[in-house]
Amino acid sequence: DVKVTQSSRYLVKRTGEKVFLECVQDMDHENMFWYRQDPGLGLRLIYFSYDVKMKEKGDIPEGYSVSREKKERFSLILESASTNQTSMYLCASSLRYDGLHFGPGTRLTVT
Amino acid sequence: GEDVEQSLFLSVREGDSSVINCTYTDSSSTYLYWYKQEPGAGLQLLTYIFSNMDMKQDQRLTVLLNKKDKHLSLRIADTQTGDSAIYFCAESSNSGYSTLTFGKGTMLLVSP
Repeated sequence: DVKVTQSSRYLVKRTGEKVFLECVQDMDHENMFWYRQDPGLGLRLIYFSYDVKMKEKGDIPEGYSVSREKKERFSLILESASTNQTSMYLCASSLRYDGLHFGPGTRLTVT
Repeated sequence: GEDVEQSLFLSVREGDSSVINCTYTDSSSTYLYWYKQEPGAGLQLLTYIFSNMDMKQDQRLTVLLNKKDKHLSLRIADTQTGDSAIYFCAESSNSGYSTLTFGKGTMLLVSP
């Protein structure tokens, strides 16, 4: 089974802090994704990557950046956290069209 | 742009069948997916169907696809209380990078 792990289940940060969310997958998948999930808005794609050092903007990239230095690891960076970035963050990986495999999520609260 | 619509809520009794419906707008979607999310957890892939199929069965799950009407449904036979969760429909884009567009999810509540 594919395993996608995220560095924290719960995180509390202050406004203006730099925040790193880490994601690791163990199945040698090419594609990795960061989504955020908010009540009433569903899942929205922030960034994705289809190869090491490659990244593509999703639907809501503003205020975020990403890093993919190794195939198995995809990091989401909030350069200066704001309260409107309080959300559930979901990482996923995939190999072509067999579907996205999600991690357990990180619930981030920015105060 | 692409859009995926689902009803927000469904309530059934244990042992009944549940049918969760989804409509999508992108006629070029090649794959359509169903995910399940339990409280506080990530999304779990349940099943997917290729757009040239009209039905797929996997144990208690049956997926029906009407490509002409762009309508997808998930039927759960003999629904159990453990099936209570949010169910998401998703379609693949044609970008080649396997990005998905998700519906907002249908909350299924199964009562004993």
